[in-house]
Amino acid sequence: ETGVTQTPRHLVMGMTNKKSLKCEQHLGHNAMYWYKQSAKKPLELMFVYNFKEQTENNSVPSRFSPECPNSSHLFLHLHTLQPEDSALYLCASSQLAPRGPGELFFGEGSRLTVL
Amino acid sequence: TQLLEQSPQFLSIQEGENLTVYCNSSSVFSSLQWYRQEPGEGPVLLVTVVTGGEVKKLKRLTFQFGDARKDSSLHITAAQPGDTGLYLCAGADDYKLSFGAGTTVTVRA
Repeated sequence: ETGVTQTPRHLVMGMTNKKSLKCEQHLGHNAMYWYKQSAKKPLELMFVYNFKEQTENNSVPSRFSPECPNSSHLFLHLHTLQPEDSALYLCASSQLAPRGPGELFFGEGSRLTVL
Repeated sequence: TQLLEQSPQFLSIQEGENLTVYCNSSSVFSSLQWYRQEPGEGPVLLVTVVTGGEVKKLKRLTFQFGDARKDSSLHITAAQPGDTGLYLCAGADDYKLSFGAGTTVTVRA
């Protein structure tokens, strides 16, 4: 138990579906992140929220839409995805420190399959 | 985007052997972190190194940060099956981490 909970753990969707991934952190952190993990590739940073404000959008296609209603919750809304978007989506939180992001606490991930 | 290259990509060894995993970059980082990820779970932090030349030990794991703060290594002594997992290095810059692709380590009993 890392203090970061992701739901659902597994999701299968068609290319025309709309779905959302949810992340909740119980650690009192001030930053939350979405990462994409594909086989044999580095974790790709998608979005960063710092005190609920989006501070990074790493050239992510608009079919991925993040939402951070408060410092404890983070959503990733999915719409008209492509098969190449199939991956493990990891949410993380951290307490930002003067010298950097500090330790990232990850959830267990949401395994997404796009048919 | 700051690129971190990890080598080797895969490593399979017998229990009791030693192993070293490398993380290299052309960029300088304020700090570097090592994570281990097991199947079905998210990565978990092992260590953070901050100072160039720093060496940290965590039981049988030894982490070293290069003098120029661009590279790092992880050495495991007398590996055990419980050390099996994906080892990820990550360089810190401001408020974000850039990750390498990882080294998959398998320790056979």
